Amino acid sequence: AQKVTQAQTEISVVEKEDVTLDCVYETRDTTYYLFWYKQPPSGELVFLIRRNSFDEQNEISGRYSWNFQKSTSSFNFTITASQVVDSAVYFCALSPDSWGKLQFGAGTQVVVTP
Amino acid sequence: NAGVTQTPKFQVLKTGQSMTLQCAQDMNHNSMYWYRQDPGMGLRLIYYSASEGTTDKGEVPNGYNVSRLNKREFSLRLESAAPSQTSVYFCASSYQPQGPNTEAFFGQGTRLTVV
Repeated sequence: AQKVTQAQTEISVVEKEDVTLDCVYETRDTTYYLFWYKQPPSGELVFLIRRNSFDEQNEISGRYSWNFQKSTSSFNFTITASQVVDSAVYFCALSPDSWGKLQFGAGTQVVVTP
Repeated sequence: NAGVTQTPKFQVLKTGQSMTLQCAQDMNHNSMYWYRQDPGMGLRLIYYSASEGTTDKGEVPNGYNVSRLNKREFSLRLESAAPSQTSVYFCASSYQPQGPNTEAFFGQGTRLTVV
């Protein structure tokens, strides 16, 4: 069975602080894909990143960075120098073989105050 | 540039009523999905259609039926709505089940309340 755990329910930071969102997953598959999605207050889901299990390189995209560690089954997400527009719910998700057939974590609410 | 379109955006049903949630995508995607989002639980897969003509159950299929009407459209039906089906429903599509370099697109969601 697959499982994604996002232990942090809510994180509150002041603008310009860094924030790290934890994601721990469980799977018996040797090939799998990990994702992060953002859900702003408007409600839509925005794709942020996809990583397959064979690619453990960390990735940076602007103020966003991701740390994939297979040894600890973690795929953590860091927002550097947070901004108010980063306020949203962030979901980590896992898929064995499909883009859309996703196992989501419960989500972490990020609140960035000016 | 519509992407994934869901209708309606809001709906209130009485217990026992039926309704169909509509989803259409204009990206020529092969695969389509229905999820529900409940507070504190993330999104859970209800049904999916890997390709036109096929449908399969996801994690929480009970109380729902689906129809892949054509490549563009994937509908979700509640035959006899229950208060436990109060949720936000998301439709999504992707180019193919194992697409290497495409992203999954989600609709704006349908907020359903069953009273």
